[in-house]
Amino acid sequence: GENVEQHPSTLSVQEGDSAVIKCTYSDSASNYFPWYKQELGKRPQLIIDIRSNVGEKKDQRIAVTLNKTAKHFSLHITETQPEDSAVYFCAAPRGSTLGRLYFGRGTQLTVWP
Amino acid sequence: GAVVSQHPSWVICKSGTSVKIECRSLDFQATTMFWYRQFPKQSLMLMATSNEGSKATYEQGVEKDKFLINHASLTLSTLTVTSAHPEDSSFYICSASSRLSNEQFFGPGTRLTVL
Repeated sequence: GENVEQHPSTLSVQEGDSAVIKCTYSDSASNYFPWYKQELGKRPQLIIDIRSNVGEKKDQRIAVTLNKTAKHFSLHITETQPEDSAVYFCAAPRGSTLGRLYFGRGTQLTVWP
Repeated sequence: GAVVSQHPSWVICKSGTSVKIECRSLDFQATTMFWYRQFPKQSLMLMATSNEGSKATYEQGVEKDKFLINHASLTLSTLTVTSAHPEDSSFYICSASSRLSNEQFFGPGTRLTVL
């Protein structure tokens, strides 16, 4: 199976609702889990990351939770806005090289006004 | 935050020619740079890891003679697509990380179209 699995592939929500995207990983030694937002034709931008020594991290409307036992982590966006519409990618370390990451397949989030 | 530039932002070339893409870290020393390829509506596919002063490490299935990578300094890595063919048309993105962190900073990408 894939080293990082991401679900769902598409997600549509009404403005103001919450959105949750989930990822699972296979390497129990993984210790760094970033989330990237990519708008059409642009570079991926880091929006939040979490390290394995904490279970949750929050930054305004965005939060990430990590369950090391189950090997999954999730992105939570509250009070969604149309400008949150983009593709979101999770990632997890790939081997021992710092910065070398496996990326999930991405989730196309659409926020309807 | 750290800034990574990429040049050119887009290029159109004829089949059989070679194309060089540059990736620069503008305000930090990037000990490692990564090259990705992204097809429309798909994820980032890691092609190779580029370390300053040493040979690049290619991912399985990536032809090293086709995609030449050079990391001549702590701020510059280049990807050369040799004898390009239409199937090489894609969005190529580089990223850079420092010695101390897993965090990656992405370049703006290069749209390659091979006619």
